[in-house]
Amino acid sequence: NAGVMQNPRHLVRRRGQEARLRCSPMKGHSHVYWYRQLPEEGLKFMVYLQKENIIDESGMPKERFSAEFPKEGPSILRIQQVVRGDSAAYFCASSLNTGISNTGELFFGEGSRLTVL
Amino acid sequence: DQQVKQNSPSLSVQEGRISILNCDYTNSMFDYFLWYKKYPAEGPTFLISISSIKDKNEDGRFTVFLNKSAKHLSLHIVPSQPGDSAVYFCAASAGAQKLVFGQGTRLTINP
Repeated sequence: NAGVMQNPRHLVRRRGQEARLRCSPMKGHSHVYWYRQLPEEGLKFMVYLQKENIIDESGMPKERFSAEFPKEGPSILRIQQVVRGDSAAYFCASSLNTGISNTGELFFGEGSRLTVL
Repeated sequence: DQQVKQNSPSLSVQEGRISILNCDYTNSMFDYFLWYKKYPAEGPTFLISISSIKDKNEDGRFTVFLNKSAKHLSLHIVPSQPGDSAVYFCAASAGAQKLVFGQGTRLTINP
């Protein structure tokens, strides 16, 4: 499967624990985006990364959330001290190395569904 | 600040008829518009796009229309098929850095 791979697909955490969501982009893609979808809402942009760089984190909450895309390995979205309001589907997407303007589209993974008890 | 709005949460259409999904935007800097389709428990998949230099783009049963003066775009599906039942998201980008999504419209095609 050469698509965007996200894991885990489902994650259950208790309040105060940490959640780590992983994303491997499509082969050849070096741009990664994280989006969050709250129940009954649309997709909200969180962060845009290229290898080893955060390009745009304007959608990231100021506290508890962080993201990285190391030179080797998947992109990681990390949520510390989770609260019930963090329960959502987190989608990762990737694009070709020239970004959206070239292909006009993002390729999405199937999402990671976080439930905070 | 909802820059991309889909004001109809749901739409029900008879099989074989035309489905029209609407989207409005407020940011005049948006220069690329896309429609994504999403099934339950899956990620969104790209459907069709249009650049701001065009007013229409067609791909098979799907046509997207852009009215820049009204800051409005629409997706037409004709003829509608049962497999088209899904949530449709409108999205826009400015300067190619990220996509801003609308809230989605749930389309149901009735046999």
